[in-house]
Parts: sequence; structure tokens; C-alpha cells
Amino acid sequence: AQSVSQHNHHVILSEAASLELGCNYSYGGTVNLFWYVQYPGQHLQLLLKYFSGDPLVKGIKGFEAEFIKSKFSFNLRKPSVQWSDTAEYFCAVNKGGYNKLIFGAGTRLAVHP
Amino acid sequence: NAGVTQTPKFQVLKTGQSMTLQCAQDMNHNSMYWYRQDPGMGLRLIYYSASEGTTDKGEVPNGYNVSRLNKREFSLRLESAAPSQTSVYFCASSEASETQYFGPGTRLLVL
Repeated sequence: AQSVSQHNHHVILSEAASLELGCNYSYGGTVNLFWYVQYPGQHLQLLLKYFSGDPLVKGIKGFEAEFIKSKFSFNLRKPSVQWSDTAEYFCAVNKGGYNKLIFGAGTRLAVHP
Repeated sequence: NAGVTQTPKFQVLKTGQSMTLQCAQDMNHNSMYWYRQDPGMGLRLIYYSASEGTTDKGEVPNGYNVSRLNKREFSLRLESAAPSQTSVYFCASSEASETQYFGPGTRLLVL
């Protein structure tokens, strides 16, 4: 079955630490890739997306992600996290041209001051 | 621009009761979606509507029905609620396979 896997369910970091959240998908062919963030008590917001072109994409709030086609991966990174980055992060994929998004299970990030 | 709005924000139902969750978007998007979010399972697609007048099943459609009332509105109905439908429900909209924009969610508790 087609799926999206997020490697870590819970991550705890101190402020200023670096962050990398893994995401792998099992689709072949053209895909659109997304990272969404859900801050406590809020709805999902788009962090960044990749449709085509430069595989290193930059999003809001200093986040970036790298698409590695050969590894079916789209990992999220941030060089230095802040307390305000505490949230749940979701990777999502749709096949190019199709509407349906498949989400990973999410990673809860807690950043301690 | 309100984006995507959902009503109600919270609801408590007894097993067997029915209810309709409402969703509206003001971005003139063709596509709309209903998801449920459960701990440790991410978001799962219940139904979606690629365009006005069409609806299709998603990953977990059992126990739900939808209506695409017009381009703006997409409702989700639970005909006979069950405890397994306790969840947070999100509506979203998009232009085709582009970025989906999400509403604030409806927290539903079925006793």
C-alpha cells in the first residue's frame, strides 16, 4: 500500500539545537511533497512544499527540506530551533496531478528553553 | 478573507445520534476535503470533492456521507454516531493538486 512514514513520533530538543525530521514515501513516479505544522490548539499550516525544480526548498520560519528522489525521502531541517517551534509536524504526499494527500503519522517536537 | 471555516468547534453526541459538520471556503477553490485526525495516525481522508457536483471516497469513508452544496460549501454527515468516530475533523480546500488550506477543526466526542 502507498504510504508515508515519519521516523520519529516524539522529539525533544533544547533551544538552539539542530533539527532533522525524517519522511519517506512509497510512491513511484511524480509526486508533490509537503510539510505541514500544527501548533498547539491550532489548525495545520503549510511550512513548505516541493513540486519540481531545486530539490532543496526553503519554507517559513527558517525551515528547509531536501527531496532525494533515489531515497524516496523529504527530510525537514532547521539549524537552530526555538521554543516557539514546539508543535506537531506532518509530512504529506500526493501523486502529481491527483488531489488526494496521504499524511504521515506526525512527529511531536518539544523544544525546551 | 476568512479562508476555511468550520462549524461547530465542539460537539458531544450520544451513540446513535446524527449530526452534520459544516465547512465553507472563500478562496474560490474547486477541491474540498474532509479529514479526521486521531493520535498517532496523522490525518486520514474521509471524502473529497474534486469539483462542484462530484464527491469521492477517501481512506476511511464508512459511517459518513458528504454533500458538496455549492462551490463554497462541503458538509460531512454522521448518520448514526459511534464512539469510534470520536476524533478531530478538519476540512480543507485546494486548487486541484496544489497546496491544501485547512480549517480550524471540529472536536467531536461520541459517548
